[in-house]
Amino acid sequence: EDQVTQSPEALRLQEGESSSLNCSYTVSGLRGLFWYRQDPGKGPEFLFTLYSAGEEKEKERLKATLTKKESFLHITAPKPEDSATYLCAVQASTGGFKTIFGAGTRLFVKA
Amino acid sequence: DVKVTQSSRYLVKRTGEKVFLECVQDMDHENMFWYRQDPGLGLRLIYFSYDVKMKEKGDIPEGYSVSREKKERFSLILESASTNQTSMYLCASSLPYNEQFFGPGTRLTVL
Repeated sequence: EDQVTQSPEALRLQEGESSSLNCSYTVSGLRGLFWYRQDPGKGPEFLFTLYSAGEEKEKERLKATLTKKESFLHITAPKPEDSATYLCAVQASTGGFKTIFGAGTRLFVKA
Repeated sequence: DVKVTQSSRYLVKRTGEKVFLECVQDMDHENMFWYRQDPGLGLRLIYFSYDVKMKEKGDIPEGYSVSREKKERFSLILESASTNQTSMYLCASSLPYNEQFFGPGTRLTVL
């Protein structure tokens, strides 16, 4: 069964304290892996798409990387405005248009 | 910018009522999705549509139906609302196999 697991469930950082969020996936052939950011009470906002192992994407303080079994979202020198829930999602090559979402990691960055 | 709008941000309905949630996208996307999001359970797919008048069941379709009469509009219908359908409902649209763009969400409370 296709599955996405994110860890940790919650992460508390001090401003400037770099860290990483993990997304482990099990799919029968990966078509694409997506990262989203979700603020409280709002819909998820797209961040990155990764397609193959070794690929990396960057946006401001965020960098996403991909291996054959997991993806990491690295946050460098976070600021309080980076506080949000980060969602990982995958599309399997045999899954049609369906996207499977992880439960998310809630990030809190304290000033 | 892609824009996905949902008809209501907050709704309060009574048990047994028929509830309509509407979603409109302005980017000519073929695919549209309805999810519900509950604490600890993440995003769960209710239904999706890959073309006008076409629909497919997601993971939790029971108690719901959908309608897509025009490409830009995708409606979710709760035939007879129940308290266990109290949730945040999120609509999304995408090009085939690409990232999804989400609406702001509708927080539905069924009393």
